[in-house]
Amino acid sequence: AQTVTQSQPEMSVQEAETVTLSCTYDTSESNYYLFWYKQPPSRQMILVIRQEAYKQQNATENRFSVNFQKAAKSFSLKISDSQLGDTAMYFCAFMNRNTGNQFYFGTGTSLTVIP
Amino acid sequence: ETGVTQTPRHLVMGMTNKKSLKCEQHLGHNAMYWYKQSAKKPLELMFVYNFKEQTENNSVPSRFSPECPNSSHLFLHLHTLQPEDSALYLCASSQEWVGTSGRINEQFFGPGTRLTVL
Repeated sequence: AQTVTQSQPEMSVQEAETVTLSCTYDTSESNYYLFWYKQPPSRQMILVIRQEAYKQQNATENRFSVNFQKAAKSFSLKISDSQLGDTAMYFCAFMNRNTGNQFYFGTGTSLTVIP
Repeated sequence: ETGVTQTPRHLVMGMTNKKSLKCEQHLGHNAMYWYKQSAKKPLELMFVYNFKEQTENNSVPSRFSPECPNSSHLFLHLHTLQPEDSALYLCASSQEWVGTSGRINEQFFGPGTRLTVL
């Protein structure tokens, strides 16, 4: 079974600053996807960014980027120029490409952006 | 409506009640999921349906009974629940898994039903 660990239950960052959320995972698979999902307070969980394990280049989506270290099984999320709307729970997730639909989620990191 | 919708958004029930949660997706997906979200715990996958067929049941107690009449609708029937079943229940949908050469099947989530069992 795969496990996903997010070791930072809570974090805060000043508006306009940069913050990095950590995620590590444990798997014996080589073909998989990694995701970061965002769940704002009382709102739906939405996909922030995704990474295919066979791609060495780190994924980037506007202010969001990842640092994917496959050998270390690490998948951190960097948020640049933090905005108040970034306040949310952030979940790291793993999907085994060989077995399809089953996602494995971490416990989440609650991020607060301080004005 | 677009995306994934869930009703009701909030539900309070006694341990002897029977209730149902409803999920509907308007994305043309063929896979649907139920998750349980409890504080300080990872999201727990409960059930997976592909093309209306249940493909995963992660050791969920029988007091939770899923139903998928078609690819757009998913229900979770609840009866004789326990207080520890109180949680946020999330529904999600995605394209069906078509094997290792298929596209990335990101999951789209509904807003959830906040369930309180008294």
